[in-house]
Amino acid sequence: DAKTTQPPSMDCAEGRAANLPCNHSTISGNEYVYWYRQIHSQGPQYIIHGLKNNETNEMASLIITEDRKSSTLILPHATLRDTAVYYCIAINQAGTALIFGKGTTLSVSS
Amino acid sequence: GAVVSQHPSWVICKSGTSVKIECRSLDFQATTMFWYRQFPKQSLMLMATSNEGSKATYEQGVEKDKFLINHASLTLSTLTVTSAHPEDSSFYICSGGQGSTDTQYFGPGTRLTVL
Repeated sequence: DAKTTQPPSMDCAEGRAANLPCNHSTISGNEYVYWYRQIHSQGPQYIIHGLKNNETNEMASLIITEDRKSSTLILPHATLRDTAVYYCIAINQAGTALIFGKGTTLSVSS
Repeated sequence: GAVVSQHPSWVICKSGTSVKIECRSLDFQATTMFWYRQFPKQSLMLMATSNEGSKATYEQGVEKDKFLINHASLTLSTLTVTSAHPEDSSFYICSGGQGSTDTQYFGPGTRLTVL
């Protein structure tokens, strides 16, 4: 599975869009990009995933560059409850174990 | 999304005792579940892969005789920490995937404190 690189921390004002970048320059053609988040003392929560196309659901949008070497998770209107550690993970087979890096700690403030 | 539960949510035990943690997939069947642990201020670390009807596979450095995993049905996997010691105190989390999408969904975690 490709290694991913994320900034260790980011800040965002409540109500603004939070854009969390992820670099996966060695990703292969059949690897998906998954995003999870972990709120303090809870299990990780699935957010969204994609292969090539941009994806949107009720939680977030995922923008994947055309060369697939990087992606951005967008929380359109961040709230205080979005404060969490966000993990970007590239995996080449659905159903395999997820290997977690250090993620990005997003702090949303009022 | 799919729902995974864990029981108990927290447990405190004395050193030398054994503790069993249950992981259940509530609305899907999971032939494979994964167990992770997380120490304070660290990321999740994969411990083992739990396979329904067969032996679990363990990551390097994880003692299979200490962390017993049983996956007797498609909706239940259990992790038993045997002869627990204070260094086993951690946050234990399981995950499972459903059907052809196989997106992994995580349980809420179990906080184990060994005195």
